[in-house]
Amino acid sequence: EAQVTQNPRYLITVTGKKLTVTCSQNMNHEYMSWYRQDPGLGLRQIYYSMNVEVTDKGDVPEGYKVSRKEKRNFPLILESPSPNQTSLYFCASSWASGSLTDTQYFGPGTRLTVL
Amino acid sequence: GDSVTQMEGPVTLSEEAFLTINCTYTATGYPSLFWYVQYPGEGLQLLLKATKADDKGSNKGFEATYRKETTSFHLEKGSVQVSDSAVYFCALRGNNAGNMLTFGGGTRLMVKP
Repeated sequence: EAQVTQNPRYLITVTGKKLTVTCSQNMNHEYMSWYRQDPGLGLRQIYYSMNVEVTDKGDVPEGYKVSRKEKRNFPLILESPSPNQTSLYFCASSWASGSLTDTQYFGPGTRLTVL
Repeated sequence: GDSVTQMEGPVTLSEEAFLTINCTYTATGYPSLFWYVQYPGEGLQLLLKATKADDKGSNKGFEATYRKETTSFHLEKGSVQVSDSAVYFCALRGNNAGNMLTFGGGTRLMVKP
């Protein structure tokens, strides 16, 4: 089954404790990205990657890091989480053909609470 | 930059009522437009899309028409069901945005039996 998986689905942590949220897709997509969802703001892109070893900032990259060492994986790293990073996070993937019709597939989400 | 504006929710309807969720956008050129749906506890799923002016996207009884002249992509359904209760997001992908989607704030729909 074609899917995007994320782990963990729920995480409660404390300020300053480094954490990683994993994302994996099995569709051989070149493009992967991370979004955060906050009430009334919709989804905002954090980082994206057009292919292995190619990453770039989205609209709200501050406080986050990513890496793309393998095509299927795109982990999101919070080196020193703060309460304003409490949010619902989504990973997404798609082909990177440049076509405006490329559909993005979303993971189930990770709900992060930083105390 | 690109932006998407959706009507605020929640929208509460009785079963079999007609649904309209308004969406307008600002973008240069000719973006592609999407509606995504998020059921409780789940990720976003693509509901429908349209890639050029006057295109109509449709799926599961939902429809939306790409109106270039009014920069709108309103979502409609003739008869909603309780199972349609979810959050609906309008989004666009601009010509110069790579694969990035710009989302509206989302509209929560609640359908009562």
